[in-house]
Amino acid sequence: EADIYQTPRYLVIGTGKKITLECSQTMGHDKMYWYQQDPGMELHLIHYSYGVNSTEKGDLSSESTVSRIRTEHFPLTLESARPSHTSQYLCASSTGTGDTGELFFGEGSRLTVL
Amino acid sequence: GQNIDQPTEMTATEGAIVQINCTYQTSGFNGLFWYQQHAGEAPTFLSYNVLDGLEEKGRFSSFLSRSKGYSYLLLKELQMKDSASYLCAVMDSNYQLIWGAGTKLIIKP
Repeated sequence: EADIYQTPRYLVIGTGKKITLECSQTMGHDKMYWYQQDPGMELHLIHYSYGVNSTEKGDLSSESTVSRIRTEHFPLTLESARPSHTSQYLCASSTGTGDTGELFFGEGSRLTVL
Repeated sequence: GQNIDQPTEMTATEGAIVQINCTYQTSGFNGLFWYQQHAGEAPTFLSYNVLDGLEEKGRFSSFLSRSKGYSYLLLKELQMKDSASYLCAVMDSNYQLIWGAGTKLIIKP
């Protein structure tokens, strides 16, 4: 069973607020990812990391930032939330062995921006 | 551009067999994944194919034809708990995953 955790699970905030979505994994995985998913739509990669002090932007520009100071921790920050940021945010990790391997997902953070 | 196509929704009967198709056009190919996602939950890994052919895992099987850019997920002896979305994803030449929008499978008694 995967050990990857996200907090908060649900969050309702006002426009312009700064928020941080937390993601932690206890599997020692090098690779971690943040995805955004709207109902009935495909997952869009926002950011990813291949290890400590390594972060890259994905194909979806969401005006967010990430950091990877520790292997197990990969927080996502929205500096100024907008209603267009309303979505589900999924954190995932993988072993990265041979650049393939299944993703283990957290339970998601559902964000609503009013 | 890169593209993954799968049916939006399918309906099947409990105890029956259903095949969910996925066609893809990507820049390179480093494997195809199937994930299951129950409503309101995170995706969970089902299968990985990188070579042509059929991979069987219990009631679920996944098939790949790289020359045709085609895969299918076969679910046998359907159970009500199989009601979920099934996501097809392809790893491209940059080892990035390209995701389909998912197929919502509805199981009826």
